[in-house]
Amino acid sequence: GEDVEQSLFLSVREGDSSVINCTYTDSSSTYLYWYKQEPGAGLQLLTYIFSNMDMKQDQRLTVLLNKKDKHLSLRIADTQTGDSAIYFCAESINTDKLIFGTGTRLQVFP
Amino acid sequence: DADVTQTPRNRITKTGKRIMLECSQTKGHDRMYWYRQDPGLGLRLIYYSFDVKDINKGEISDGYSVSRQAQAKFSLSLESAIPNQTALYFCATSDVGDTGELFFGEGSRLTVL
Repeated sequence: GEDVEQSLFLSVREGDSSVINCTYTDSSSTYLYWYKQEPGAGLQLLTYIFSNMDMKQDQRLTVLLNKKDKHLSLRIADTQTGDSAIYFCAESINTDKLIFGTGTRLQVFP
Repeated sequence: DADVTQTPRNRITKTGKRIMLECSQTKGHDRMYWYRQDPGLGLRLIYYSFDVKDINKGEISDGYSVSRQAQAKFSLSLESAIPNQTALYFCATSDVGDTGELFFGEGSRLTVL
């Protein structure tokens, strides 16, 4: 069945890099996504990667995809206090629906 | 104004009551979804709809029903609310043929006593 797993918490110092990891089970996923949820708000798309790509970079964000291990990671360079949020990994099943992970709460301390 | 609007934003109710959560969108998307969020469990799909005549069950549809009244409106009902339905509920939309990105409302927090 479809399952997406993430660690629940990550704490980093301001200015350091953050790496949030995700594993998924459905090898037919078309797209994989990272969403950000700030307190009291809905989820917003941060970035996505097409399944035939290994890496995608967008300013401070780097997404790595290892299809063999079904592993997705999000690296945030120079992490700021404004990056504190819950980050959700998601996979697209035939582009019909998204299956979300449990979410990783990132806390950035000064 | 938000593209995806949910009402109510907060609701406290009692066990056994009927509750409706409403969602409306101005994005012109055909696809609409209802998810619930629980701490440590992430988002789980309740129901989704690809057009006005289409309703599909998600992974946790028991105890819920939906109605797609128009392209822009998708409502979620709890016929007889129970305490373990206490959660944050999100409506989302997506466009056909795109990357599958979901656009979320701000959420409806439901507490069942």
